[in-house]
Amino acid sequence: QVQLQESGPGLVKPSETLSLTCDVSGASVTSSNWWTWVRQRPGEGLEYIGEIYKAGRTPKTDYSPSLKSRITISVDESKNQFSLKMTSVTAADTALYYCARGSGHSSGFYYDSWGQGTLVTVSS
Amino acid sequence: DIVLTQSPDSLAVSLGERATINCKSSQSVFYSHNNNNYLAWYQHKPGQPPKLLIYWASTRDSGVPDRFSGSGSGTDFTLTISNLQAEDVAVYYCQHYYGTPSFGQGTKLEI
Repeated sequence: QVQLQESGPGLVKPSETLSLTCDVSGASVTSSNWWTWVRQRPGEGLEYIGEIYKAGRTPKTDYSPSLKSRITISVDESKNQFSLKMTSVTAADTALYYCARGSGHSSGFYYDSWGQGTLVTVSS
Repeated sequence: DIVLTQSPDSLAVSLGERATINCKSSQSVFYSHNNNNYLAWYQHKPGQPPKLLIYWASTRDSGVPDRFSGSGSGTDFTLTISNLQAEDVAVYYCQHYYGTPSFGQGTKLEI
């Protein structure tokens, strides 16, 4: 059974870079899955951040258009984990961040496994 | 970008009754090459991660009670919860995965 666990600092200063990692167990980050970041800001709904697909030589990424200029998602095969980096954070980036696994086929991937989420607060 | 709009934003349903949540897409998420609608439904309870209920618009995920059913095609979709139980209280989201994914704004279900 696949398990995902987010980790990273709970507090980040404005204008700095948010870095989160998702440890994956029970599956390989090089399998035919997308590995995804989703967040939920306080009092709001789920927001897609971006994802990465590493089943091949060259990883593929997809990012939310509204966040694309500030985010990078990468995979570390040796540690079986994937990461999110978000630059120039503001208070609006305060949220509960989830990592998830995308499963499916034919370029259609839904999220069937999720981490418990990690709260990130942006504040000085 | 595809925008998903759910209705209603919230609803209250009696135990044992039926809840119906709608999701309308700004453009079709039906892919004719494989005859699939690229739409999923999730249940999200406080303090827990979202849980996949339905994918390909109408396929229940493993272990999901058959009280939950998904229907629709193209731009209009429905999640129906029959015989509502107390444990069904949650926020429900639709999500498309036809290109860059996005979620609906959520529907809060109460008893």
